[in-house]
Amino acid sequence: AQSVTQPDIHITVSEGASLELRCNYSYGATPYLFWYVQSPGQGLQLLLKYFSGDTLVQGIKGFEAEFKRSQSSFNLRKPSVHWSDAAEYFCAVGALLPGAGSYQLTFGKGTKLSVIP
Amino acid sequence: SAVISQKPSRDICQRGTSLTIQCQVDSQVTMMFWYRQQPGQSLTLIATANQGSEATYESGFVIDKFPISRPNLTFSTLTVSNMSPEDSSIYLCSVRQQGIEQFFGPGTRLTVL
Repeated sequence: AQSVTQPDIHITVSEGASLELRCNYSYGATPYLFWYVQSPGQGLQLLLKYFSGDTLVQGIKGFEAEFKRSQSSFNLRKPSVHWSDAAEYFCAVGALLPGAGSYQLTFGKGTKLSVIP
Repeated sequence: SAVISQKPSRDICQRGTSLTIQCQVDSQVTMMFWYRQQPGQSLTLIATANQGSEATYESGFVIDKFPISRPNLTFSTLTVSNMSPEDSSIYLCSVRQQGIEQFFGPGTRLTVL
């Protein structure tokens, strides 16, 4: 079965500093990979996704992520963090369901990002 | 992307009662899902809501506790039955349109006393 590990439960960065959130997955085939953000009291918003092709994907709000097959990783990055980026970030892997032509999302436990003004 | 609304946005309920959560989407979607997010935890899939047929439940979730309806391609309900404090969670509706992207509603925050 597929799984997602986000090693960092809580990260604090200063506004303007760079950010990298780690995500490692376990899946036997090429996965679909996603990053979602959940602001306090809100639902989940899709930041970016990887299905195939270029391993460096660009998302909304200035985020990017890089798929590294050899490391089973899909880390999220942002060159300069804004105070409004404070939120919880979830990495997810979409694993194909046998014979269903569809996939099921499995989420990591999330990383809470705090931003110091 | 699909615009998803949920009602109610939050509720406080008494033990032993039931609550029905509504999910409305602004366009027809192929797949609809219900997730639970317990305090401080990640998201767990409860079931896939199938239009015109019974929902498909994940391990650990049963129809008697979480009955789901999906009468058409834009609407679904999730009922949390015979509630206990352990049911206090955020319940999220999610949809998938053509392709692969999956979107989430704002969630329903449920507190059971």
